[in-house]
Amino acid sequence: DSGVTQTPKHLITATGQRVTLRCSPRSGDLSVYWYQQSLDQGLQFLIQYYNGEERAKGNILERFSAQQFPDLHSELNLSSLELGDSALYFCASSTHGEGTEAFFGQGTRLTVV
Amino acid sequence: SQELEQSPQSLIVQEGKNLTINCTSSKTLYGLYWYKQKYGEGLIFLMMLQKGGEEKSHEKITAKLDEKKQQSSLHITASQPSHAGIYLCGADVNQGGKLIFGQGTELSVKP
Repeated sequence: DSGVTQTPKHLITATGQRVTLRCSPRSGDLSVYWYQQSLDQGLQFLIQYYNGEERAKGNILERFSAQQFPDLHSELNLSSLELGDSALYFCASSTHGEGTEAFFGQGTRLTVV
Repeated sequence: SQELEQSPQSLIVQEGKNLTINCTSSKTLYGLYWYKQKYGEGLIFLMMLQKGGEEKSHEKITAKLDEKKQQSSLHITASQPSHAGIYLCGADVNQGGKLIFGQGTELSVKP
């Protein structure tokens, strides 16, 4: 158990819908990262938050947004969902960011039908 | 082309054999991370390497970092079926903590 909790584990939704994925980082970790893993693209970095502030952005679509709350949990919002958004979405957390180990949650498997 | 190349893409070995997985970056490495993933599950942190020439071991797994070549290798000694899975290398190339990942190496160990 990495200490990073993601909910829900599975999500099936229809095209055009909006979903929210939730992540609770390890106790004491200030940095949260979101990644998307698909068969064709592999594991891709989406966005990073550090102590409530956005720190880095990767290949995140405009239909996607995230935030980190004062209690340090984070949410990833995916809207106007398309079939191609079906993937495993991982959250990871680390103590500070650079130079510290990042631990991953078990992921949320999103299926868009 | 991939910023982080892993080789081989897949590997089948007999139990008890040694094996090596390589990871090469096209960018300067500020940290190199190795993870293991069972299909469809989360990533399990194995090791983090930061300094050139650094070598770390955990049980039968050893990872090394060659900073000059921007390469890392993961070596498993006397492989066991429990070593089977997908091995992913992740690199911090921006000094910010976010990682880029290789495509992974799928390891199968035959009893």
